[in-house]
Amino acid sequence: ETAVFQTPNYHVTQVGNEVSFNCKQTLGHDTMYWYKQDSKKLLKIMFSYNNKQLIVNETVPRRFSPQSSDKAHLNLRIKSVEPEDSAVYLCASSYWGPSQNTLYFGAGTRLSVL
Amino acid sequence: QQKVQQSPESLTVSEGAMASLNCTFSDGTSNNFRWYRQHSAKGLEVLVSIFSDGEKEEGRFTAHLNRANLHVSLHIREPQPSDSAVYLCAVNTGNYKYVFGAGTRLKVIA
Repeated sequence: ETAVFQTPNYHVTQVGNEVSFNCKQTLGHDTMYWYKQDSKKLLKIMFSYNNKQLIVNETVPRRFSPQSSDKAHLNLRIKSVEPEDSAVYLCASSYWGPSQNTLYFGAGTRLSVL
Repeated sequence: QQKVQQSPESLTVSEGAMASLNCTFSDGTSNNFRWYRQHSAKGLEVLVSIFSDGEKEEGRFTAHLNRANLHVSLHIREPQPSDSAVYLCAVNTGNYKYVFGAGTRLKVIA
């Protein structure tokens, strides 16, 4: 049963536009993540938040900015998209703790930049 | 930096035959490994979590971990066509990040 909800499912836009993706989890988790999945299915962590605090910030272009209003929500904004941003963006959540942090994923937002 | 490699890239098995997937990693200090499955255009579903050397079974899915050999495998007993998906190995790096392999695309034919 889905408990990590992402919107939109798909988004097509043009180079230079701004896009925002939303993610909400209903699992009561305190940590949320954004991953980028490329065309070869390779997943790379972008950001993670614990209780609204940024704890992981990988080397991503500055046009990407995460936003967390509370521990159940983590949004991603991309200012001025580039063609290489075309990918699937997966949101995940987990509990904070080494043996408990199974990631639960949303269905993803597929971004196409023309 | 932890590197994770999966093999084979793709695998076709007949319904009912055992499917075996492999994952090697570069840093043996991790003790937190997970296998995920991703059906087309869907999110990832966790199958098995394993934290110590040996075997862990979850239904038809069994993970084997051997940290000395830097290897974790997944065996699927009696696979069905609905098991056709991409299988991803994830290794926790100890700082609330997982490094994922590139996946094995499994196809189960009836």
